[in-house]
Amino acid sequence: LAKTTQPISMDSYEGQEVNITCSHNNIATNDYITWYQQFPSQGPRFIIQGYKTKVTNEVASLFIPADRKSSTLSLPRVSLSDTAVYYCLVGDNTNAGKSTFGDGTTLTVKP
Amino acid sequence: DSGVTQTPKHLITATGQRVTLRCSPRSGDLSVYWYQQSLDQGLQFLIQYYNGEERAKGNILERFSAQQFPDLHSELNLSSLELGDSALYFCASSVLSLAGQDEQFFGPGTRLTVL
Repeated sequence: LAKTTQPISMDSYEGQEVNITCSHNNIATNDYITWYQQFPSQGPRFIIQGYKTKVTNEVASLFIPADRKSSTLSLPRVSLSDTAVYYCLVGDNTNAGKSTFGDGTTLTVKP
Repeated sequence: DSGVTQTPKHLITATGQRVTLRCSPRSGDLSVYWYQQSLDQGLQFLIQYYNGEERAKGNILERFSAQQFPDLHSELNLSSLELGDSALYFCASSVLSLAGQDEQFFGPGTRLTVL
């Protein structure tokens, strides 16, 4: 089961681009990389998922290098409402549930 | 609104007591997950069910048990409660596709306070 490592916290300012990197050195061939966002006292919410290269949706981009040992969540032009905890999750449905959310990265966006 | 419902929203009880938390998954989702989140901690996976059967087990204490019923709702039973069991308990559901990693849809959580 792939163990993930993320920075504990990051600070940014409104309007900046934020990049949060997750390390997953022992990622398996079938594993996908999924990012979730959690606000205080709320359940996590799916942001984006990828397997390799780059994925983009309306809220974020996910960059995955060829070796897949890390991934970077990119949030363009953050606002105060992006202040939250961001979790990187690695796994697939054969080990679903055993993929751990870890401690996540607390992003604080300042005015 | 994720479509996952959890009841009750808040629960206050005493040490040594037993409580039951309830979760109704999104319509069509067969898999249910339970997580515990203590104050300022990450999410700790407890257990997963798929279509009534236990599929995966995480760091679930022996004092805790869960089940998924034929109508797919799930209950998490916590017994002999201790102060350290105070936490937010989240339920999530997913379809559980044959490939990939499903998006999990989380409920609003049940906040348990043990006094």
